[in-house]
Amino acid sequence: SQKIEQNSEALNIQEGKTATLTCNYTNYSPAYLQWYRQDPGRGPVFLLLIRENEKEKRKERLKVTFDTTLKQSLFHITASQPADSATYLCAPHASGGSYIPTFGRGTSLIVHP
Amino acid sequence: GAVVSQHPSWVICKSGTSVKIECRSLDFQATTMFWYRQFPKQSLMLMATSNEGSKATYEQGVEKDKFLINHASLTLSTLTVTSAHPEDSSFYICSARGGVNGELFFGEGSRLTVL
Repeated sequence: SQKIEQNSEALNIQEGKTATLTCNYTNYSPAYLQWYRQDPGRGPVFLLLIRENEKEKRKERLKVTFDTTLKQSLFHITASQPADSATYLCAPHASGGSYIPTFGRGTSLIVHP
Repeated sequence: GAVVSQHPSWVICKSGTSVKIECRSLDFQATTMFWYRQFPKQSLMLMATSNEGSKATYEQGVEKDKFLINHASLTLSTLTVTSAHPEDSSFYICSARGGVNGELFFGEGSRLTVL
């Protein structure tokens, strides 16, 4: 069955450093991979989408990579800030508008001042 | 960006009662909406896909008679938890595809506590 794995343990880093979160998937070949941010008690918020033919995507301090050979996506936040503390979810999915969205458990990021 | 509104944000009810949660797409039409349940420190678990004008598609293990979903218009889907019990206490979140690339927009979530 399809499986999405994200680091279950919280990632603690110091303000100003780069945070790197990992998303691994098995038993399928997604054409897209999305990343979301979720704050406690809130619904997730869309951050970035990367396609299988894109190796890297950037948005402000965020960078996402997508390695279809390794079946892995890395999510980087540069110059991290305490306000970046949240849980980050990945969602690999098939192409088109009819995919069924499923998520990894998410990795909690804690940025210390 | 697209906005999805969910109501109520929290509700407390007695065991045996029914609770309705509404999910609205405010500035776009959503033929499909998704309902999730999330327990503390767990992933979003897809419960069902709500289709406008037709029956919802439920994930394996989700009781359709207990979690009634109605998607009567292109901007509103409702989830009714019937005869709620304490084990139904959870965080329920809806979402809809609203972006050009199929990205999801989520409601704020509804915290249900069944006493």
